[in-house]
Amino acid sequence: DAGVIQSPRHEVTEMGQEVTLRCKPISGHNSLFWYRQTMMRGLELLIYFNNNVPIDDSGMPEDRFSAKMPNASFSTLKIQPSEPRDSAVYFCASSLRQGGSYEQYFGPGTRLTVT
Amino acid sequence: GENVEQHPSTLSVQEGDSAVIKCTYSDSASNYFPWYKQELGKGPQLIIDIRSNVGEKKDQRIAVTLNKTAKHFSLHITETQPEDSAVYFCAAGPKTSYDKVIFGPGTSLSVIP
Repeated sequence: DAGVIQSPRHEVTEMGQEVTLRCKPISGHNSLFWYRQTMMRGLELLIYFNNNVPIDDSGMPEDRFSAKMPNASFSTLKIQPSEPRDSAVYFCASSLRQGGSYEQYFGPGTRLTVT
Repeated sequence: GENVEQHPSTLSVQEGDSAVIKCTYSDSASNYFPWYKQELGKGPQLIIDIRSNVGEKKDQRIAVTLNKTAKHFSLHITETQPEDSAVYFCAAGPKTSYDKVIFGPGTSLSVIP
């Protein structure tokens, strides 16, 4: 398996622009997570889905952030409008939550820079 | 909700020495405690996990211990090697299969050759 695939790997954009991050989870996994990592706040869970349904979005910073999972093999995290404080590495992870298994497989991350 | 604390935030050891990272959690209902290793430029990767019905688990040079009464768990790495240098995260949860796992703030481990 190719693992969790994220695109783009790097994104540089100007303040006020819309940014869309993409994630393809491991085939067969039923849970998907979006994390943000910064030096100041560490690894923060933004939102997670179970069977394509958002279960907990309490970590989403504000209305500028939105996430969708239209099918089992694709998810997006959108920031509109972007701000310099959104600069971070965004990770997508997937998991097969079955039979007590909770291991999360992380993608390589998208490094976002907002100028 | 669950809160996970982790100490130390940075740790430097000589190659061959042992390294210990400690975590505490707040929710006594948590029953799964994984440890992830993040190498530079990569996403975290699971290295070992332990469930609440087990007090200790070992896998080659790494071991994890759990004290449910005190709500703390630890990662032990013996005979450290330079390739052990990374950021290590502990985590706790979930109570149900729909619940989330909460990560600690991370420990940056440096192994000096």
